Amino acid sequence: TQLLEQSPQFLSIQEGENLTVYCNSSSVFSSLQWYRQEPGEGPVLLVTVVTGGEVKKLKRLTFQFGDARKDSSLHITAAQPGDTGLYLCAGVKTTDSWGKLQFGAGTQVVVTP
Amino acid sequence: EPEVTQTPSHQVTQMGQEVILRCVPISNHLYFYWYRQILGQKVEFLVSFYNNEISEKSEIFDDQFSVERPDGSNFTLKIRSTKLEDSAMYFCASRGRDRGYEQYFGPGTRLTVT
Repeated sequence: TQLLEQSPQFLSIQEGENLTVYCNSSSVFSSLQWYRQEPGEGPVLLVTVVTGGEVKKLKRLTFQFGDARKDSSLHITAAQPGDTGLYLCAGVKTTDSWGKLQFGAGTQVVVTP
Repeated sequence: EPEVTQTPSHQVTQMGQEVILRCVPISNHLYFYWYRQILGQKVEFLVSFYNNEISEKSEIFDDQFSVERPDGSNFTLKIRSTKLEDSAMYFCASRGRDRGYEQYFGPGTRLTVT
């Protein structure tokens, strides 16, 4: 069983459409981070959320942390081909004091022109 | 903008050989990590390091693995006797003292064990 379940695993949409990626768990997290990873490269940090119910925006990307701090979502408005990539959620459980990140398996997003 | 760097980008080694993977974390960061990602799988935690000692390690991080911060800037991961199953991307990450445990990752070292 995965600690952090991401859905869907794969998402293919047309340019201009909206999309949402989900990250769910039965565990409570002190913080949750979203990364984007290109093939053969390291994860690049997009955002960190720490407060239940928190919403953060990064241009066309909106990130939300669930009220109970067990889940998060990433919403992209008017997707562009440049948004194509692997999106990873990763969290630090409240029981982990050294910042060990637990990763989801990722959502591969493909945006076609 | 400060970034985490890693060398080499690709290392090929024979089974049973020792390898050292090197990382230079962001300069004012205090917590350091190694993760690995086997091809097609998710990123897995290996070890965390703070104040010149291991703070936490995973089951993967057995006696064949060690970490060191030899000179106050570099952070190394040594695998003493590599196995085929050690083939993976190895990522170094670092963070400062912040509430969100924000970690910044390096570009990775691809380790291939033949």
